[in-house]
Amino acid sequence: AQTVTQSQPEMSVQEAETVTLSCTYDTSESDYYLFWYKQPPSRQMILVIRQEAYKQQNATENRFSVNFQKAAKSFSLKISDSQLGDAAMYFCALSAGANSKLTFGKGITLSVRP
Amino acid sequence: NAGVTQTPKFQVLKTGQSMTLQCAQDMNHEYMSWYRQDPGMGLRLIHYSVGAGITDQGEVPNGYNVSRSTTEDFPLRLLSAAPSQTSVYFCASSPTSGSYNEQFFGPGTRLTVL
Repeated sequence: AQTVTQSQPEMSVQEAETVTLSCTYDTSESDYYLFWYKQPPSRQMILVIRQEAYKQQNATENRFSVNFQKAAKSFSLKISDSQLGDAAMYFCALSAGANSKLTFGKGITLSVRP
Repeated sequence: NAGVTQTPKFQVLKTGQSMTLQCAQDMNHEYMSWYRQDPGMGLRLIHYSVGAGITDQGEVPNGYNVSRSTTEDFPLRLLSAAPSQTSVYFCASSPTSGSYNEQFFGPGTRLTVL
């Protein structure tokens, strides 16, 4: 079985500042992938960033980057230069094994203060 | 490409009624899945399919049926709706069943069972 834990239900950040969203996971698989999905008020699920477990280098997508600590089973998302459009719910997710079954965390609601 | 489409967007049912949530994708993806999203629970996998004619259960399959007669379509059937099935339902697809794949989500269906 695999689990994903997001322990912070809500966070707030000032526009243009940096915020880090935390996520921990557990899996017995050696080959797995970690994802951060964004869900704005429109409800559409959007992939933000993906990390392959066998890659030591942290993934980066423009203002979004991850801090992947494999030994600690930690996968946090850093958003730099926060923008009003970043306000959304963010889900951490894990996919392991032969199928694409995603295990999601409970999500965190991020608000951005102007 | 329309991507992943879901109908209806909203639905209200009475306890005991049956209905089918429709999902279609035009990307020729092998893998399709259904999730439900409940407040404070994240998204949980209901059923998935790795190709036409092949389906399997996810984490919360009770009360739901699926079939996959074509690559494009993956309907979710509620046989006898219960208030516990009040939720937002998402259909997703990915090119193959590999764990590395990004999953593409539909816009969701908000279902209320009275």
